[in-house]
Amino acid sequence: DIQMTQSPSSLSPSVGDRVTITCRASQRISNYLNWYHQKPGRAPNLLILDASNLQSGVPSRFSGSGSGTDFALTISSLHPEDFGTYYCQQTYGTPYTFGQGTKLEIK
Amino acid sequence: QVQLQESGPGLVKPSETLSLTCVVSGHSISSGFYWGWIRQPPGKGLEWIGSISQSGTTYYKPSLKSRVTISVETSRNQFSLNLTSVTAADTAVYYCAKEIRRGAFGSWGQGTLVTVSS
Repeated sequence: DIQMTQSPSSLSPSVGDRVTITCRASQRISNYLNWYHQKPGRAPNLLILDASNLQSGVPSRFSGSGSGTDFALTISSLHPEDFGTYYCQQTYGTPYTFGQGTKLEIK
Repeated sequence: QVQLQESGPGLVKPSETLSLTCVVSGHSISSGFYWGWIRQPPGKGLEWIGSISQSGTTYYKPSLKSRVTISVETSRNQFSLNLTSVTAADTAVYYCAKEIRRGAFGSWGQGTLVTVSS
């Protein structure tokens, strides 16, 4: 299985901060990397497809980058509703695997 | 707007079979795409279980493959998950979801908690 490792595991930024979460794959996965956001008690929401394609309805303050093994999700200016947990996911091959999650707690 | 709704028992005894159904509305399963099951143990991360196409082609996580069956009923616009010989480690919120592209889940059900306990 392809292992996905996110960092950091948690962080507590302030509203307005620029935030970057990284995700590293255990092998090259081209750009088959997606990002999800999950709020407590809710299903995950797909934010970014194929490393950098923002999904419809997702605010433009979110962006994704990377290819190969190293990827990043950036929030340019944090809003209060951005709290929750962010997961990366590889879809280069089955089994599709997720990172362990990065928990964002707004300070 | 596609909507998905999981249903099934919230409590299953160890060694028995967990059975869940996902009813899809707002989109015909027959028209295409893959449909999947993902689970999340309490306080933990996401785990893909498997996916099925409208024609019944399935992909399963290898470590679960011996216990998992995913099936589709296009006439009822629903698909189902069976997981046999469950243990406490199978306690999780189970989500059904629609792939918008290979493995990428763009629409999700609200999730249903299944607890394995005697």
